Amino acid sequence: AQSVTQPDIHITVSEGASLELRCNYSYGATPYLFWYVQSPGQGLQLLLKYFSGDTLVQGIKGFEAEFKRSQSSFNLRKPSVHWSDAAEYFCAATYSGGGADGLTFGKGTHLIIQP
Amino acid sequence: NAGVTQTPKFQVLKTGQSMTLQCAQDMNHNSMYWYRQDPGMGLRLIYYSASEGTTDKGEVPNGYNVSRLNKREFSLRLESAAPSQTSVYFCASSEGWVSTGGETQYFGPGTRLLVL
Repeated sequence: AQSVTQPDIHITVSEGASLELRCNYSYGATPYLFWYVQSPGQGLQLLLKYFSGDTLVQGIKGFEAEFKRSQSSFNLRKPSVHWSDAAEYFCAATYSGGGADGLTFGKGTHLIIQP
Repeated sequence: NAGVTQTPKFQVLKTGQSMTLQCAQDMNHNSMYWYRQDPGMGLRLIYYSASEGTTDKGEVPNGYNVSRLNKREFSLRLESAAPSQTSVYFCASSEGWVSTGGETQYFGPGTRLLVL
């Protein structure tokens, strides 16, 4: 069965430090991959997505992610975090050819920013 | 544009009661989705609709029914609520199938449901 794994439940980073959030997927075919962010009490906002082409994807708010087929990974990075980046981050995936729609989400990573 | 709107924002039910969660989008999207979010579980797909009049089951459809009333509206109904349905429910929409075109899903603010 298809699945998305986010190995880190919580991550604490100092403001101004770099960030990497991990995401691994298990799919038979190359999936479409997404990163969403959820602020407390809010809905989800798309940060970036990988559909095809360049494996380094740029998103909003200074985030980027790299698709690595050999490692089945799609890790999210930011060179310097701001206090406003504190939120829950979800990796999600889907793929064509399965006959169904919708996203499969990881369980999320809670990002804490230390001053 | 309001995007995706959901009502109510919060609801408390007793076991066995019924209710309908409403969702509407003003982006002229064809596809709409219902997810539930539970602590430590991420979001799981309940039902989705590719167009008016069509609906399909997702990962966790048991205990729910849906109606795609028109292109704008997609409702989720709990006929007999159970404590296991305590969750945050999110509606989402996209122009087409996210699984074929990599479409972006736009999410509503969520409905918090507590079943006692």
